[in-house]
Amino acid sequence: QVQLVESGGGLVTPGGSLRLSCVASGFTFGDNYMSWIRQAPGRGLECLSYISGNSDDTNYADSVKGRFTISRDNSRNSLYLQMNSLRAEDTAVYYCARYTRIPDLRGQGTLVTVSS
Amino acid sequence: DVVMTQSPLSLPVTLGQPASISCRSSQGLVYSTGDTFLNWFLQRPGQSPRRLIYQVSKRDSGVPERFSGSGSGTEFTLKISRVEAEDVGIYYCMQGTHWPWTFGQGTKVEIK
Repeated sequence: QVQLVESGGGLVTPGGSLRLSCVASGFTFGDNYMSWIRQAPGRGLECLSYISGNSDDTNYADSVKGRFTISRDNSRNSLYLQMNSLRAEDTAVYYCARYTRIPDLRGQGTLVTVSS
Repeated sequence: DVVMTQSPLSLPVTLGQPASISCRSSQGLVYSTGDTFLNWFLQRPGQSPRRLIYQVSKRDSGVPERFSGSGSGTEFTLKISRVEAEDVGIYYCMQGTHWPWTFGQGTKVEIK
């Protein structure tokens, strides 16, 4: 059974940094693209970034380009999102997903709150 | 960015009756491979979004047959043949053809 468990969220002041993690199980992690998607409170869903199985293909939404970095460690079945220069508008629940063009969200997400 | 427009935004339905949600994209969603990356998600109250249908009409494992997806080009539809109580929530369409992938605003389905 496919499982994705996100962690690393919390309260951070504007300009600060956080690193989110997602541990995957139930499938061959290294064979799959992975993505990060977020949902701001009371708002819709936004696709932020994706990464290929061997990390040679990545992409970012303009809203996070230059501030966020996606990475993965296939030996640990883990996906990461390094978030720097955080802003109030980055406050959201962050989900990881298997695949990119047809994202499959399986976790509960991790809440990031950016506030002074 | 591709704009995904859903209608209606609110859909009161009677149990056992059919329901239909429309999703329109500002650009065609056929990828160079010939695939169309139009997906549907359901977010039940207090839960994370879950994919129901991918690539227009492919139902996810465990999704009841009463859910069906159709469409082509820029016009897509999600249909529920007979609404059940567990179907309440917000439905989102999403395109994965043109980066950045984008979601519709959501359609809130509630029981009358």
